[in-house]
Amino acid sequence: GAGVSQSPSNKVTEKGKDVELRCDPISGHTALYWYRQSLGQGLEFLIYFQGNSAPDKSGLPSDRFSAERTGGSVSTLTIQRTQQEDSAVYLCASSSLRGLAGYSYEQYFGPGTRLTVT
Amino acid sequence: GDSVTQMEGPVTLSEEAFLTINCTYTATGYPSLFWYVQYPGEGLQLLLKATKADDKGSNKGFEATYRKETTSFHLEKGSVQVSDSAVYFCALKGNDYKLSFGAGTTVTVRA
Repeated sequence: GAGVSQSPSNKVTEKGKDVELRCDPISGHTALYWYRQSLGQGLEFLIYFQGNSAPDKSGLPSDRFSAERTGGSVSTLTIQRTQQEDSAVYLCASSSLRGLAGYSYEQYFGPGTRLTVT
Repeated sequence: GDSVTQMEGPVTLSEEAFLTINCTYTATGYPSLFWYVQYPGEGLQLLLKATKADDKGSNKGFEATYRKETTSFHLEKGSVQVSDSAVYFCALKGNDYKLSFGAGTTVTVRA
C-alpha cells in the first residue's frame, strides 16, 4: 500500500514568511510524528499525535512552530516568521496502534520536505 | 534523558570489506533499539530492530545485537556492496513513543 507522503518535497522561502508542510500518514495509522533533520542538530523529535488525545508538543523549538491533525489523518506543520535556522528537512512518520498491547514501535517515515529559508 | 551516541563518519570502504558502526545508548528502563538507513535521495527506512537484551536484529546481511551490559547496539555487515552506501542512524525508543537518534554515519562503498 501507499507509504507516508509529504508535500512539498522542497520549499524555498524568504525569512519572515510563514510556511505550511503537509503529511499524509499511512492509512489506518493512528499515531503521527514530526521530526526535523538539520546539519547542526541531527534528527530531532518535534511533535506527536495519537488519535484524539492532546498532542505532545514538547519537541517544538519555539512558539513559531505549530501543528494540527485534521480528522485523525492528514497533518500540517506550520512555521511562522521563518528564520534561517529553520532550514532543515522535516520528516513525518506514522505508526499503528496495536490493541491492548500498546503502541507499535515501528515508525514509517515519509521522504521529507526540504525547507530552505533565504 | 534518553540519548544515542554513534560512531562519527564518514566511513569509506572498498567493496566486500567488513563494516562496523558503533552505537551506544543511555536510557532508563528497557528501550527498543533500531538501525535506520537513508539512501541518497530517499527517506528513512527501518533496517533492523531489537526489543530486548540479547536479541539480534538482522536484515539485508546487516546484524546488530542488543547488549544491555555494555549498552550497545553495534551494526555489522561482513561484505559490503556499493549499494550499501548510505547514512545509517542508530535510534532508541524508551518508555514513551519518541525515537531518539544518533547523529548518523555516512558510509561510502567504492567498487
